[in-house]
Amino acid sequence: DIQMTQSPSTLSASVGDRVTITCRASQNINEWLAWYQQKPGKAPKLLLYKASTLERGVPSRFSGSGSGTDFRLTISSLQPDDFATYYCLQYKSYSRAFGQGTKVEIK
Amino acid sequence: VQLVESGGGLVKPGGSLRLSCAASGFTLSGYDIHWVRQVTGKSLEWVSGIGTAGDTYYPDSVRGRFTVSREDANNFSYLQMSSLRVGDTAVYYCARGDNWNDGFFYGMDVWGQGTTVTVS
Repeated sequence: DIQMTQSPSTLSASVGDRVTITCRASQNINEWLAWYQQKPGKAPKLLLYKASTLERGVPSRFSGSGSGTDFRLTISSLQPDDFATYYCLQYKSYSRAFGQGTKVEIK
Repeated sequence: VQLVESGGGLVKPGGSLRLSCAASGFTLSGYDIHWVRQVTGKSLEWVSGIGTAGDTYYPDSVRGRFTVSREDANNFSYLQMSSLRVGDTAVYYCARGDNWNDGFFYGMDVWGQGTTVTVS
């Protein structure tokens, strides 16, 4: 099974900061990676799919990059609404796997 | 476009529970469906998937205890859970997966609000 390793687990940042979250797959997943944002008590929300394609309605300050085994989610200028937990998901294999999550906290 | 889960509740260890996922605003038959759970304060865990042909997939943690099914005529998916353990306590989500016919590969793009299962 493909394992996903996400880092960091917690990230403290200020409004306006540029932040980057990384996700590493245990084997090649091409670009079959999605990123999600989750707020407490809510379902995850799709931000990007196919590693770098922005879901409709998601602000352009979110971007994704990478292919193969190494991926990044970047928020170019952190906004108050962005403080949340972020997860990556590999969907190359039908046995889906999520990263452990990154909680973005206010510094 | 919406998914709504139901059927969660309190069950004793060793017991069974069936969760339902009702789809609206789209035709379920064209999509894979996944079930994902989340223990309070923990990460998301994929627990099952069903393809449009009825092919099913599970991680080792639930294989043999959980059974996913679909009823396309009524736009429903179900997750039958048996031999439940305390460690199965979580919020369970259903999520829309890939559409192979139309070439939509988003991972999981639409999620329900979740239903809580407590095994105690």
